[in-house]
Amino acid sequence: AQKVTQAQTEISVVEKEDVTLDCVYETRDTTYYLFWYKQPPSGELVFLIRRNSFDEQNEISGRYSWNFQKSTSSFNFTITASQVVDSAVYFCALSWSGYALNFGKGTSLLVTP
Amino acid sequence: EAGVAQSPRYKIIEKRQSVAFWCNPISGHATLYWYQQILGQGPKLLIQFQNNGVVDDSQLPKDRFSAERLKGVDSTLKIQPAKLEDSAVYLCASSLLLGNTEAFFGQGTRLTVV
Repeated sequence: AQKVTQAQTEISVVEKEDVTLDCVYETRDTTYYLFWYKQPPSGELVFLIRRNSFDEQNEISGRYSWNFQKSTSSFNFTITASQVVDSAVYFCALSWSGYALNFGKGTSLLVTP
Repeated sequence: EAGVAQSPRYKIIEKRQSVAFWCNPISGHATLYWYQQILGQGPKLLIQFQNNGVVDDSQLPKDRFSAERLKGVDSTLKIQPAKLEDSAVYLCASSLLLGNTEAFFGQGTRLTVV
């Protein structure tokens, strides 16, 4: 099966807390791509990051960081010092062999002041 | 650079009526996708085009849904006849290449079937 599991349905944190969103994937392909998207209340999906299966380097972009571990089939996303503007639904997605993105069910993050 | 354009933004129809959605992808993007997002769920692929050819329509309910991408640019998605369970946001996205590059999404069309 080719699928993405985001076990956390909803997370609520207070501003400035760090928060990690979990993503576990399944695929039988050796070449695949993992993505994170953000969907704010306005509804438009915003691309955050893409990682291919051969690049296990972690990545940091400002307050955002991603931890890719093939050994555990996970691609977790951490927001450091969360802000109210980070409130959104976050989706992890998988693609392979030219196929379209296969999304998880999403994690709704609420950051309160 | 202009993003993915979709229209209309909102549509309310009665069950058994028909409806059509339009999408204009980012210029130069060969791949176009239609996704259905039911409230509280992740987007689900309906159909994927590469230029004007269909790459994957395995999850498209073909008895009532149809889509076309004439000339490999704009695309329309039609539902006829609509059912209550078709109430969802229909998202169009485009990407430069098949599958392994990021897809850019439009704002979606929120369909309510009553």
